[in-house]
Amino acid sequence: DGGITQSPKYLFRKEGQNVTLSCEQNLNHDAMYWYRQDPGQGLRLIYYSQIVNDFQKGDIAEGYSVSREKKESFPLTVTSAQKNPTAFYLCASSGTGPVYEQYFGPGTRLTVT
Amino acid sequence: AQSVTQLDSQVPVFEEAPVELRCNYSSSVSVYLFWYVQYPNQGLQLLLKYLSGSTLVKGINGFEAEFNKSQTSFHLRKPSVHISDTAEYFCAVSDQGGSEKLVFGKGTKLTVNP
Repeated sequence: DGGITQSPKYLFRKEGQNVTLSCEQNLNHDAMYWYRQDPGQGLRLIYYSQIVNDFQKGDIAEGYSVSREKKESFPLTVTSAQKNPTAFYLCASSGTGPVYEQYFGPGTRLTVT
Repeated sequence: AQSVTQLDSQVPVFEEAPVELRCNYSSSVSVYLFWYVQYPNQGLQLLLKYLSGSTLVKGINGFEAEFNKSQTSFHLRKPSVHISDTAEYFCAVSDQGGSEKLVFGKGTKLTVNP
């Protein structure tokens, strides 16, 4: 089955620790995205990548970092600089134009205490 | 830049009643429009999309939406809802100029009561 996998489903960390969230897709999509979801806030774009070895900041990139070394993978690191990291994180991917329908993974719920 | 406003944060309805979830957008260019559904603790699933052509778009699970360019709206409707439609619904927009980014509304929580 083609799709997007995110692991783990739930993640717990202590404050001050960096943590990396995994996102893998086998849809052969060029573009990948990371969103953060908080209650009542909708989805906010953290980073996106349109091609391997290239990525751009989204609306709330501070305290996060990404890499895109392979087409299939787009890991997100939540650093200790992120002031409020507890949230639901969603990864998505899309093919090339002209319509950029995004497909979403199941999400990772990160809790930092 | 685009923006999306979902006018209702919560919509409670009874089973088998009709429902409309409202979405307005703002953009200086032509857009593509999407509705996604999210069940608790899951990712988003595409319900339907407007690309061009007919302004009435039919999607999965009996949902449909109408694109109204003059009112910059893309309201989602279903004539008769089921308990299983209880979920959060997100409206999203992307511009036709080549950007791959989606801008999402804040979501509408639909609760279907027996």
